[in-house]
Amino acid sequence: NAGVTQTPKFQVLKTGQSMTLQCAQDMNHEYMSWYRQDPGMGLRLIHYSVGAGITDQGEVPNGYNVSRSTTEDFPLRLLSAAPSQTSVYFCASSSSRTSGNEQYFGPGTRLTVT
Amino acid sequence: EDKVVQSPLSLVVHEGDTVTLNCSYEVTNFRSLLWYKQEKKAPTFLFMLTSSGIEKKSGRLSSILDKKELFSILNITATQTGDSAVYLCAVGNFGNEKLTFGTGTRLTIIP
Repeated sequence: NAGVTQTPKFQVLKTGQSMTLQCAQDMNHEYMSWYRQDPGMGLRLIHYSVGAGITDQGEVPNGYNVSRSTTEDFPLRLLSAAPSQTSVYFCASSSSRTSGNEQYFGPGTRLTVT
Repeated sequence: EDKVVQSPLSLVVHEGDTVTLNCSYEVTNFRSLLWYKQEKKAPTFLFMLTSSGIEKKSGRLSSILDKKELFSILNITATQTGDSAVYLCAVGNFGNEKLTFGTGTRLTIIP
């Protein structure tokens, strides 16, 4: 199993550009989520999904869109990039079949918006 | 709103020392508390503590959960330079799979 994969690893955007961060998992997990990590802020939840066709907002959703058309994929779209979106983005997944909320993380995407 | 507070924010110790990292939480309908280690990449899972498992140990690392006082500690004995990392605490609740993370403790081990 590849686990959780993310592409790209690095990206530089200009203000106003749009892009999609890709996330995929091969563990048949129902739950997938996107976090951003900024210095001193820990991991903050952007959007999450409990299954195909179902998404919801997390703590910091503004400026981001998500969709979940399949169990495996959960892309994150930046509609019009802003310097405040410079961050490291992590995708994670978990299964409701486990006894807790253990989430598995992808390797991350480092995004810089100039 | 669920809340997780970790202390200290950073800690510098010498190799061989023992350290204790703290995590206090407020969560509705508590399900689990998780510890992750993050080096210069994605967080990696260390322990999960639940009502049915309030103590965990793996080698030099151990963790306990106090559900009454709403906190957990992560102990690392005989620290090594490879233990240098940010340690994240997170809590989850029943009803959804969301995790709420603390800001982390940055641990630096000096040779």
